[in-house]
Amino acid sequence: EIVMTQSPATLSVSPGERATLSCRASQSVSSKLAWYQQKPGQAPRLLIYGASTRATGIPARFSGSGSGTDFTLTISSLQPEDFAVYFCHQYYDWLTFGGGTKVEI
Amino acid sequence: QVQLQESGPGLVKPSETLSLTCTVSGDSISSYYWSWIRQPPGKGLEWIGYIYYSGTTNYSPSLKSRVTISVDTSKKQFSLKLSSVTAADTAVYYCASYRRGTFDYWGQGTLVTVS
Repeated sequence: EIVMTQSPATLSVSPGERATLSCRASQSVSSKLAWYQQKPGQAPRLLIYGASTRATGIPARFSGSGSGTDFTLTISSLQPEDFAVYFCHQYYDWLTFGGGTKVEI
Repeated sequence: QVQLQESGPGLVKPSETLSLTCTVSGDSISSYYWSWIRQPPGKGLEWIGYIYYSGTTNYSPSLKSRVTISVDTSKKQFSLKLSSVTAADTAVYYCASYRRGTFDYWGQGTLVTVS
């Protein structure tokens, strides 16, 4: 099983600042990596797939990068609605998720 | 737009079988694969398995021995059965559409407590 490790567990930032979230795979997943956002009491929402392609309706301030084992989700200027938990997900071999990064004020 | 709604008991006794159903609306059931994912309280996400409208299934290796996912195309529903449950199976269970590797649409989730 491919293990996905996210860091940091919690990221404290202020509105308007840039947030950088990391996700590392235990072996290469090529570009088969997605990111999801989850707000309290809600289901996750797909943000990014193919490591860098924004899903439909996702604002341009969200961007993804990386390939192989190391990936990054960047939120260029945090808006109040962006404070949430973010999960990475690999679909190269079976389907596994990272433990999540909580972005808090 | 696809809409998904989970239904089923919120409380299951240890050693019994957890059963949930997801009702699909807004698109053809043949447009996607259909998946179950769970999230223990305060923890991360775990993929359980998925099914295609034809009945083809794929299950997580860690749960395969206890999981059955089925589909009823006439009702636009798919179902999850998880046998021999323990407290470790307590989680919010989500149904979701699955296509080309990602989960595009999700149900609101339903909490199932094993106790």
